[in-house]
Amino acid sequence: DVKVTQSSRYLVKRTGEKVFLECVQDMDHENMFWYRQDPGLGLRLIYFSYDVKMKEKGDIPEGYSVSREKKERFSLILESASTNQTSMYLCASGTTGGAFFGQGTRLTVV
Amino acid sequence: KNEVEQSPQNLTAQEGEFITINCSYSVGISALHWLQQHPGGGIVSLFMLSSGKKKHGRLIATINIQEKHSSLHITASHPRDSAVYICAGQSNFGNEKLTFGTGTRLTIIP
Repeated sequence: DVKVTQSSRYLVKRTGEKVFLECVQDMDHENMFWYRQDPGLGLRLIYFSYDVKMKEKGDIPEGYSVSREKKERFSLILESASTNQTSMYLCASGTTGGAFFGQGTRLTVV
Repeated sequence: KNEVEQSPQNLTAQEGEFITINCSYSVGISALHWLQQHPGGGIVSLFMLSSGKKKHGRLIATINIQEKHSSLHITASHPRDSAVYICAGQSNFGNEKLTFGTGTRLTIIP
């Protein structure tokens, strides 16, 4: 079974903190994605990566950065967390065979 | 206008009823995904299809490429089917980007 694992299910951080969300996949997928999910807005793409050290902005990259130093790991970084970044964050990886999701991280910024 | 539209947004039905959730898309896609998300949980991929019809247990997914329309059907619905169902179009540019609908919240009453 393909596994996409996110490091935390729930996180509470303070405004201004630097936040790291980690995602690891075990299927040697080239493509990895970070989405956020908000009520009424669905899932929106923040960043994606199609290879190590390669990244592209998605639809809502402002306030975020990413890092992909190894093929299996894709990190989402909130440089200075703000309350409007309170959301559910989902990581996914995929090949031409499909898309596989992590269990999600619910981040609350207070 | 969203590139991927789902209907209805919310659906409540009695146990045993036949359920249909619809998805229309306006973008060019190589495949369409149906995803399931339980409350507080991650997302599970139910189907990926690019033509015709797929069946898995009580779930059936169909797609009409010419009409840019897909449906997810659930036969003999059960309370454990209560979840949010999301359709997503997979980009045909080779980078696996998904464009999501906003989801259909299904509640099955015993």
